[in-house]
Amino acid sequence: AQSVTQPDIHITVSEGASLELRCNYSYGATPYLFWYVQSPGQGLQLLLKYFSGDTLVQGIKGFEAEFKRSQSSFNLRKPSVHWSDAAEYFCAVGASAAGNKLTFGGGTRVLVKP
Amino acid sequence: DTGVSQDPRHKITKRGQNVTFRCDPISEHNRLYWYRQTLGQGPEFLTYFQNEAQLEKSRLLSDRFSAERPKGSFSTLEIQRTEQGDSAMYLCASSQREASTDTQYFGPGTRLTVL
Repeated sequence: AQSVTQPDIHITVSEGASLELRCNYSYGATPYLFWYVQSPGQGLQLLLKYFSGDTLVQGIKGFEAEFKRSQSSFNLRKPSVHWSDAAEYFCAVGASAAGNKLTFGGGTRVLVKP
Repeated sequence: DTGVSQDPRHKITKRGQNVTFRCDPISEHNRLYWYRQTLGQGPEFLTYFQNEAQLEKSRLLSDRFSAERPKGSFSTLEIQRTEQGDSAMYLCASSQREASTDTQYFGPGTRLTVL
């Protein structure tokens, strides 16, 4: 069975500083990986996804993520955080590229200090 | 493309009542998913449809839960005899099955509070 772990429940970062959110997955085959962001009381917005190819993936809002098969990780990064990046971030793994359910991690809440 | 919509956005009900939620997917998306998210947790898969066929159900989906997608467009999720443990955000997502990718786009959710 697939699983996702986000080790950091909360992260506080100063505006303008860099941000890295950790994600570790467990899945027996080739994983299909996603990062979503959720603002309070809202649904989830897709930031980026990895299906195959280049292991460094660019997404929206200046985010990027790197797939490392040897470490079973898919960490999310942003070089310079804006106050509007304060939200909850979820990593997810899909069973296949052609659909099926997503398994989500528990999320990391990001607070941005002015 | 107006995105995935869900109705209502909020629902407060008393224990034992039945509730029904609606999800309208992105037009022409043939896959539709339901997830449940409790406070402080990530979403958990409940069920999904391809067109009108319900292809998978989670063990989380007890007998009190039923989902339909009668014409392969919108979907409804009904909870009968609600319990306080049903209080959660219910999220709907849709996707278009393609040859090699399937990206789910989420609606704003319906927040259910059972008193």
